[in-house]
Amino acid sequence: DTGVSQDPRHKITKRGQNVTFRCDPISEHNRLYWYRQTLGQGPEFLTYFQNEAQLEKSRLLSDRFSAERPKGSFSTLEIQRTEQGDSAMYLCASSVLKKALVDWEEQFFGPGTRLTVL
Amino acid sequence: RKEVEQDPGPFNVPEGATVAFNCTYSNSASQSFFWYRQDCRKEPKLLMSVYSSGNEDGRFTAQLNRASQYISLLIRDSKLSDSATYLCVCGVTSYDKVIFGPGTSLSVIP
Repeated sequence: DTGVSQDPRHKITKRGQNVTFRCDPISEHNRLYWYRQTLGQGPEFLTYFQNEAQLEKSRLLSDRFSAERPKGSFSTLEIQRTEQGDSAMYLCASSVLKKALVDWEEQFFGPGTRLTVL
Repeated sequence: RKEVEQDPGPFNVPEGATVAFNCTYSNSASQSFFWYRQDCRKEPKLLMSVYSSGNEDGRFTAQLNRASQYISLLIRDSKLSDSATYLCVCGVTSYDKVIFGPGTSLSVIP
């Protein structure tokens, strides 16, 4: 399977614990995004990378969240001191810029990691 | 006000019906627009890009109205398999992040 993969698919943790999620993008994709999605809402942007550079982090994101993409390939998202409000689906997507009359990109999403904080 | 807003739905339509979804965006500098589809408990997948002149892909037609800052998606001859949540997506430039709307849920009933 050459799509975007995420690990783990499910994570249950107790409040206050740290968790780390991994995303492996499609190999030739230089962009990688992290989103959070809750029931009835669209994906909410968290952060994104171009190669290994983190270009933007949502200002809604607390300092408890950190993401890395050390070699421009896989990425990790860590949440420290988890809270019940962190319970959500965490989606990763990768893309590559397409040159056309208007530059655009299609994002390919992984299956997500569902986090439950008790 | 949210950057991207959509009809709240849900839309429940019979097979064969035509259904239209609207989406409005607040950032007038937005340049790229998309519709994504998300099946229940699945990840979003690109349905179609939206071009300035409007575009059609089979039973699906997307329109963009820059003056009013809205995007529409028309589905003709609805199929049961069209049941999903449709996400409107906007971006300022190809070098910037995109913003997803909250989605509109569609159920096509026999």
